[in-house]
Amino acid sequence: GQQVMQIPQYQHVQEGEDFTTYCNSSTTLSNIQWYKQRPGGHPVFLIQLVKSGEVKKQKRLTFQFGEAKKNSSLHITATQTTDVGTYFCAEYNYGQNFVFGPGTRLSVLP
Amino acid sequence: GAVVSQHPSWVICKSGTSVKIECRSLDFQATTMFWYRQFPKQSLMLMATSNEGSKATYEQGVEKDKFLINHASLTLSTLTVTSAHPEDSSFYICSARDRSGSGYEQYFGPGTRLTVT
Repeated sequence: GQQVMQIPQYQHVQEGEDFTTYCNSSTTLSNIQWYKQRPGGHPVFLIQLVKSGEVKKQKRLTFQFGEAKKNSSLHITATQTTDVGTYFCAEYNYGQNFVFGPGTRLSVLP
Repeated sequence: GAVVSQHPSWVICKSGTSVKIECRSLDFQATTMFWYRQFPKQSLMLMATSNEGSKATYEQGVEKDKFLINHASLTLSTLTVTSAHPEDSSFYICSARDRSGSGYEQYFGPGTRLTVT
């Protein structure tokens, strides 16, 4: 079935450094969604990208959808301790279900 | 924003007993709810898709007779883990799609931590 991969699995950064996580698929994605899960919490929807080459920003977060719609990235500028958590990408198969990537666990050292 | 609640938030039960977990959309109607399980430090694994008024669709490898799902109304879905065993211990999370929304977003409940002794 459809698989969504993410790299890196873990990332440790110093507060103030930038962070990027990548999401890849071997097949064309209908869309890509990004979620953040704080330690001990539940996933929270961040954003959805649908169009090829789409770029969206939320404050320090920049989301990109590849031209071929096979990859996506989430970039955080000047990380803060509040950015700690696991970032998941997911594809929504229209009318069917969601397929989640394995996630990238971010830790931010103060 | 859309709120999804789960009850209980945690439960400890003995092996062989059954446990029911409720998932409610509090301020919106959800025609579709999803049930996931998540092991420590791992991603969410979709177990089943629950549509109001119809039978749930289970993912491959998920025993439908063991994980009973009922979606009786537009705001409530339940997951019953029957004859629970220690290997069923996990974090169970539900999510719901807003019927009135684009359908792309799903809102997650806070999760239920099940421990089977």
